[in-house]
Order: sequence, then structure tokens, then C-alpha cells
Amino acid sequence: NAGVMQNPRHLVRRRGQEARLRCSPMKGHSHVYWYRQLPEEGLKFMVYLQKENIIDESGMPKERFSAEFPKEGPSILRIQQVVRGDSAAYFCASSPPQSPLHFGNGTRLTVT
Amino acid sequence: GQQVMQIPQYQHVQEGEDFTTYCNSSTTLSNIQWYKQRPGGHPVFLIQLVKSGEVKKQKRLTFQFGEAKKNSSLHITATQTTDVGTYFCSRMDSSYKLIFGSGTRLLVRP
Repeated sequence: NAGVMQNPRHLVRRRGQEARLRCSPMKGHSHVYWYRQLPEEGLKFMVYLQKENIIDESGMPKERFSAEFPKEGPSILRIQQVVRGDSAAYFCASSPPQSPLHFGNGTRLTVT
Repeated sequence: GQQVMQIPQYQHVQEGEDFTTYCNSSTTLSNIQWYKQRPGGHPVFLIQLVKSGEVKKQKRLTFQFGEAKKNSSLHITATQTTDVGTYFCSRMDSSYKLIFGSGTRLLVRP
């Protein structure tokens, strides 16, 4: 049973470009979460989704950030017009309802 | 939402020494989960505590949930270099999302 798959593992973008981060949850998991982690810091909640629904996006910046989890295909975290402050590790996690989270390996985004 | 406070931020021990990290909340927690993140890695689930006063053990790791369900601790006996990493406690809030503590970074001198 494959774990949570995130790609790309590393992503470099110039300021102003768009970043698309993908996450395929574990088989049978209906819940997807996105977290951001700055170097030497903790995990900051961004958004929680189920298929075709955003359950809680209270951690998402109001502008430039969006997330989706379509009926078919992976969950996507999209960052438009990236700035240097967006550089971080972005972790996706999945779980069955109200269960411990299984994390992917993360996407390390670097904005130059 | 209410945060969980975790102390210490860093702990540097000699291999063989014990280590403890503490997690505190101002409100009662329904449950608490502990995760470990190795340097350069991703968080990995360790354990979940649900009951008041619960104590669980995993080899050299002992997890406790306070009687009032407002605090928790993780104790490692006789640390090894493989224990290096950051240990996070986390709570599940009313919308079933997981809120993480700030973590305790453990460094072990061989």
C-alpha cells in the first residue's frame, strides 16, 4: 500500500511565477491536509479537504493561495505570484476520518 | 484556536541520558497525538492518548496524558543517536484538523 505521494520533491520558482504542489493520499483515505513548515520551525496548518470540498481553510493566506481535492486525481496546492517568503517545506497528510495523519515526504519550495 | 505549548524548544543530551518533552494546553483536550520528525524528513505518527491519566509505552518511550487532560509528556529512557529529531505533540480541534505544538528538537551527542 503506497504511502502519501507528493511531487515534486523540490521546486524552484522565480518571484512572480506559479507553484503547483501535488498530493495523492493513501488508498482509502478521504481526508487531505496541507501544512507549511519554515526551516527550524513547527508545522502550520493551512487547509483541510475532503473530495470536492474544502472543510477548513482557516490557515490559508487570503491571497495567492488555493487548494483543491477533485473527485478524480490528486489534491493540488496552488501558489500564484510566489514571493521569497513562500519558500518553505509544504507537507501533505491524509487520513481516514478522525484518525492519525500519514504524511508525505513534502515539497521543498525555493523562490529565487 | 487554542494552541498547545511545548517545552523545551531544544534539548541537547549525551547518549544514554534521559529526555523529556512537555506539552501543555489551557483547555481540556479530547486527545493528544505525538509525532516524530527526523532531520530532513517528514512527521511520523508515534501514538495517540485519549483517556485521562493514560500511560503508554513503546520500548524506551513513555507517553503520559494528564489527569485533567490538559498536559502530556514524552519521556525517552537512555537516549540513542537514532532518537535525534523533533518531537511534536498535537491536538485535534472541533473541526477535526490537527494543530501542532512548536516541537522539541532533540540532539544526542554520541
